[in-house]
Amino acid sequence: GAGVSQSPSNKVTEKGKDVELRCDPISGHTALYWYRQSLGQGLEFLIYFQGNSAPDKSGLPSDRFSAERTGGSVSTLTIQRTQQEDSAVYLCASSSIGGVNTEAFFGQGTRLTVV
Amino acid sequence: SQQGEEDPQALSIQEGENATMNCSYKTSINNLQWYRQNSGRGLVHLILIRSNEREKHSGRLRVTLDTSKKSSSLLITASRAADTASYFCATDAGGSYIPTFGRGTSLIVHP
Repeated sequence: GAGVSQSPSNKVTEKGKDVELRCDPISGHTALYWYRQSLGQGLEFLIYFQGNSAPDKSGLPSDRFSAERTGGSVSTLTIQRTQQEDSAVYLCASSSIGGVNTEAFFGQGTRLTVV
Repeated sequence: SQQGEEDPQALSIQEGENATMNCSYKTSINNLQWYRQNSGRGLVHLILIRSNEREKHSGRLRVTLDTSKKSSSLLITASRAADTASYFCATDAGGSYIPTFGRGTSLIVHP
């Protein structure tokens, strides 16, 4: 596809369940970011992948959160034992080389609601 | 805490007026970007300004950067109802490869 694709668009899950959120970045982009955005708030950094380097996981809020990027392309963010405070829009972005010196392309996000 | 902070948090204007929003940051940067977000979904890149630049234009957008004051402003001239959105600045604090976003300015343009 031409842009960053995220699925599902919306996800409602029960507290305590695990969820997987998927991101398909733009082909050839080596940098991939995950952010989350709570209602009316800014973007909170979660994790950063760059090529084959070890990911920067410094933004993950707890060990219930994990992410992987297979083959340098598709990424999956997994939240285990979801809590109500995990409700947010999860945004994925990719860029050609990473950093703020180049444009990041965002997906439309996954709106996660934990009930 | 957020590296970049936009103000005002909310701005309401009439169509045709200019809209100015500001971004302040704490540590030195190499680059600063402005993004737009419609309806709480994906962000769209508007403009990039480098630390050695003072002003850039793109269509009705004008961005300035004052590194001595650690601040940037985004001016939208002759606003339209379609400009209604949230606007965010993103910076690379200390040369980080991770764009750090502020909380954004919510702009409403009334037709």
